[in-house]
Amino acid sequence: EAGVVQSPRYKIIEKKQPVAFWCNPISGHNTLYWYRQNLGQGPELLIRYENEEAVDDSQLPKDRFSAERLKGVDSTLKIQPAELGDSAVYLCASSLGRVSTDTQYFGPGTRLTVL
Amino acid sequence: GNSVTQMEGPVTLSEEAFLTINCTYTATGYPSLFWYVQYPGEGLQLLLKATKADDKGSNKGFEATYRKETTSFHLEKGSVQVSDSAVYFCALLDNYGQNFVFGPGTRLSVLP
Repeated sequence: EAGVVQSPRYKIIEKKQPVAFWCNPISGHNTLYWYRQNLGQGPELLIRYENEEAVDDSQLPKDRFSAERLKGVDSTLKIQPAELGDSAVYLCASSLGRVSTDTQYFGPGTRLTVL
Repeated sequence: GNSVTQMEGPVTLSEEAFLTINCTYTATGYPSLFWYVQYPGEGLQLLLKATKADDKGSNKGFEATYRKETTSFHLEKGSVQVSDSAVYFCALLDNYGQNFVFGPGTRLSVLP
């Protein structure tokens, strides 16, 4: 069974440029998460989807970040415009969503460097 | 708010040594507790979990017991191997099942 797929794996951009990350969760997983992991820190939740509905986006900086999961399967996270402080690894995870303690499966992440 | 505190790393051990990585948490109610591991160049993987007080999670020789009285979930392994070298993250999920919080991670290096 394929795991969580993310692309690209690495992205280098200049500040003020837009950038987008893509995530395809494990087939059948209803819940999808986007996290940001700064260097030397644990992941921090940005947004959580239940199917196509964003049920928790309280930590998403909505002035520059946006996300969508139109068909309840794959998802895109966008930053526009990017700032130097956005340099981090962006992780996508998914879970079955049957119960809250279902295991989250993480993708390899996208490492973003903003110059 | 909810938070997780882990012992600072890096932790360097010789092969076959005993491992303890401390984890304490602050949360209201009865959270579920997790240990995730991140091997070099790979994504985070669930190592073990415990969903209620006094539960013991175990996997791959690692163990952790949910201690509500001390709000702790320390990770232990009796004999580490070089292949255990990784970053270990303690995490909690609040009892509403909505807020997943990770600790900062502890890097473990095991020397042959």
